[in-house]
Amino acid sequence: GAVVSQHPSWVICKSGTSVKIECRSLDFQATTMFWYRQFPKQSLMLMATSNEGSKATYEQGVEKDKFLINHASLTLSTLTVTSAHPEDSSFYICSATGQETQYFGPGTRLLVL
Amino acid sequence: AQSVTQPDIHITVSEGASLELRCNYSYGATPYLFWYVQSPGQGLQLLLKYFSGDTLVQGIKGFEAEFKRSQSSFNLRKPSVHWSDAAEYFCAVNYGGATNKLIFGTGTLLAVQP
Repeated sequence: GAVVSQHPSWVICKSGTSVKIECRSLDFQATTMFWYRQFPKQSLMLMATSNEGSKATYEQGVEKDKFLINHASLTLSTLTVTSAHPEDSSFYICSATGQETQYFGPGTRLLVL
Repeated sequence: AQSVTQPDIHITVSEGASLELRCNYSYGATPYLFWYVQSPGQGLQLLLKYFSGDTLVQGIKGFEAEFKRSQSSFNLRKPSVHWSDAAEYFCAVNYGGATNKLIFGTGTLLAVQP
């Protein structure tokens, strides 16, 4: 139980394009999902908290207009990186909360050329 | 500010040897405590968690952790390490509240030598 999926697992895009990453809780409902970014050999950096049916809460320093989050249902949250640039290349990981525990997706590696 | 400390950035153990990874959290109300493991290029997998009750908790893959309130610690242990345990290990705490945000330690990279 408590499986979280992410799609795609990796994506390469051109600078200036937008990329959408999906996060799904497969066998439980999650009112809260989180989006993280992880740089090589570093811990996770929380970007935003996504609540079903309401606006996401962004951490300080995270541009809400660049990283659009939509939590349309209790099992799906999406992160759209708008007008991506090479500095947005990173490993993006989502988590979904069930029984006060965060369960993580496998991550999406984004490379912006 | 609330924080989590993993003092060991990198640890190398021999296969079959015992393992202890340290984790300390900043003083305050007893948080919810977690250990996650991350293999290269993968997401995080929950090993175990402590909310309340018995301070020695058992997790998956033969791991256990002990909560010590007096030391604000939640160290992870395994009696006999396998080569497949090589990975990055993160301690995380949740001080509660509506958001259930996790505060992560910086991680400990475990290498296992034959």
